[in-house]
Amino acid sequence: DTGVSQDPRHKITKRGQNVTFRCDPISEHNRLYWYRQTLGQGPEFLTYFQNEAQLEKSRLLSDRFSAERPKGSFSTLEIQRTEQGDSAMYLCASSHPQGGYEKLFFGSGTQLSVL
Amino acid sequence: GESVGLHLPTLSVQEGDNSIINCAYSNSASDYFIWYKQESGKGPQFIIDIRSNMDKRQGQRVTVLLNKTVKHLSLQIAATQPGDSAVYFCAENTGTASKLTFGTGTRLQVTL
Repeated sequence: DTGVSQDPRHKITKRGQNVTFRCDPISEHNRLYWYRQTLGQGPEFLTYFQNEAQLEKSRLLSDRFSAERPKGSFSTLEIQRTEQGDSAMYLCASSHPQGGYEKLFFGSGTQLSVL
Repeated sequence: GESVGLHLPTLSVQEGDNSIINCAYSNSASDYFIWYKQESGKGPQFIIDIRSNMDKRQGQRVTVLLNKTVKHLSLQIAATQPGDSAVYFCAENTGTASKLTFGTGTRLQVTL
């Protein structure tokens, strides 16, 4: 499978615990995005990387959230001291811009439930 | 902030009929639009895109129409099939990076 893969698919945690998600993008894609999606809503942009550089972060991304892409390939998203409001689907997407336009290819997401 | 929205939250169509899903966008600077299909428990799947210098683009069984005058986007699905049942999102991009802005989504239900 050469699509975007995310791990784990589901994560249940207790409030206050830390969680980490992993995303493996399509191998030739140099841009990687993290989005968050709550039930019935469209995905919301969180942050993106070009190669290993994190170029932009949304105001939605509080200090408890951190994302890395150390070698410009896979990425991790960590949430510290989780809160119930963090419960959502966390989606990763990758792209390779061509001609100034990009198609984002999404993974299946990690569904986080904070109890 | 400016956002993308949809006229109808749920659309029910009979198998074999054509479906039309509408989307209104508010940012006149948007220059690229994408339709995504999302099935339950899965991530959004790219369907078709269109650039602002076009008003129509066709794919396999799908057509996207863009009316920049009224800032309206539509997705037409020909001969709708049960496998088309999903939530459909339109998304717009105004920047150099693809920070897409998504709408709430329209659920398409295909009845037999």
